[in-house]
Amino acid sequence: NAGVTQTPKFQVLKTGQSMTLQCAQDMNHNSMYWYRQDPGMGLRLIYYSASEGTTDKGEVPNGYNVSRLNKREFSLRLESAAPSQTSVYFCASCQSLNQPQHFGDGTRLSIL
Amino acid sequence: RKEVEQDPGPFNVPEGATVAFNCTYSNSASQSFFWYRQDCRKEPKLLMSVYSSGNEDGRFTAQLNRASQYISLLIRDSKLSDSATYLCVALNTDKLIFGTGTRLQVFP
Repeated sequence: NAGVTQTPKFQVLKTGQSMTLQCAQDMNHNSMYWYRQDPGMGLRLIYYSASEGTTDKGEVPNGYNVSRLNKREFSLRLESAAPSQTSVYFCASCQSLNQPQHFGDGTRLSIL
Repeated sequence: RKEVEQDPGPFNVPEGATVAFNCTYSNSASQSFFWYRQDCRKEPKLLMSVYSSGNEDGRFTAQLNRASQYISLLIRDSKLSDSATYLCVALNTDKLIFGTGTRLQVFP
């Protein structure tokens, strides 16, 4: 079982470039999440999707967009990358909103 | 003030020691609580859920005190492999709120 798979694992971008982080889960989970983790800040929720066809903003949505492509996949897009978006990004999923979440192994993103 | 607060540590303890972490939360409406473990440069992994009656899983015991709004994690007989960061997590409505983590280092 792969669980939650994120691609890419590492990426370096220049300011102003765009890119999409991919996330897929094979656990038939309904809810999916994108977090960023920065030193001293803990995990902060960017966007989430409670179920297929819905997306909602989290704590730090500015500069990001998401797409819940289908039940398995939830992508995060940076339209115009900024150095402040340098971070480790985690995707997570769970069966329903009150359940603990399973995390992917992260994408390390650096923006120069 | 952060919704979930933890002492960042590090807690440096010898093998075999007992160590306890506390975590406070500010939203009295938080419904559920969890402890996650995160190894360096790895993803967080669920360690255990926290129940009002307290729960134990091997060497790990979690407690919830709703009146004082804190949760705790007790690790007995610490192993070198317990070295990690422990994240306290509260479920508020439909979102998990993570503490910044408490770092534990177990030495021989």
